[in-house]
Amino acid sequence: GDSVTQMEGPVTLSEEAFLTINCTYTATGYPSLFWYVQYPGEGLQLLLKATKADDKGSNKGFEATYRKETTSFHLEKGSVQVSDSAVYFCALSSGYALNFGKGTSLLVTP
Amino acid sequence: DTAVSQTPKYLVTQMGNDKSIKCEQNLGHDTMYWYKQDSKKFLKIMFSYNNKELIINETVPNRFSPKSPDKAHLNLHINSLELGDSAVYFCASSRDRAESPLHFGNGTRLTVT
Repeated sequence: GDSVTQMEGPVTLSEEAFLTINCTYTATGYPSLFWYVQYPGEGLQLLLKATKADDKGSNKGFEATYRKETTSFHLEKGSVQVSDSAVYFCALSSGYALNFGKGTSLLVTP
Repeated sequence: DTAVSQTPKYLVTQMGNDKSIKCEQNLGHDTMYWYKQDSKKFLKIMFSYNNKELIINETVPNRFSPKSPDKAHLNLHINSLELGDSAVYFCASSRDRAESPLHFGNGTRLTVT
């Protein structure tokens, strides 16, 4: 079935460092791809999405490009802040379900 | 106004008990979901409903029974609770299929002792 694989965490970075969280997917069709973020004690929030190949989703300085040739949707940010500390989930849509990766915990230190 | 609200926020109970978690969305969405998040943060879909109709039931034990009285509500009833049921349960909704963004509640932390 459709699935998502993302890099294991935790990831620890210093403030203003560059962030990459890798995500690859397996799907039979052409799913939409998402990144969600979960702050401590909260539910998940949509961070960005892309609906077709070569689309770039962006929000709050984060970006990800839907790469069909490499079946990837890597999350990047040029300069992270302490407030970006959270768990990040890559996900793909599959009909009436959203299938999530296992999540990557990010800790940004001052 | 909270878009997706679920109650209670915390639920502590003993093995063998029956408990319910309620979820309501005020977004006018047609689809609602229940997800289970384990201690390692892994999220697994349990159920999805579209316009009160069950669409997905992902190999969840029969002890879990969702009920959707109307498309704004999706409640989760759990019979004969077991230790392994301890987790955070998230309710979510989306406008239609999962291509449209999901809006999540803040979760219910269930602890079975």
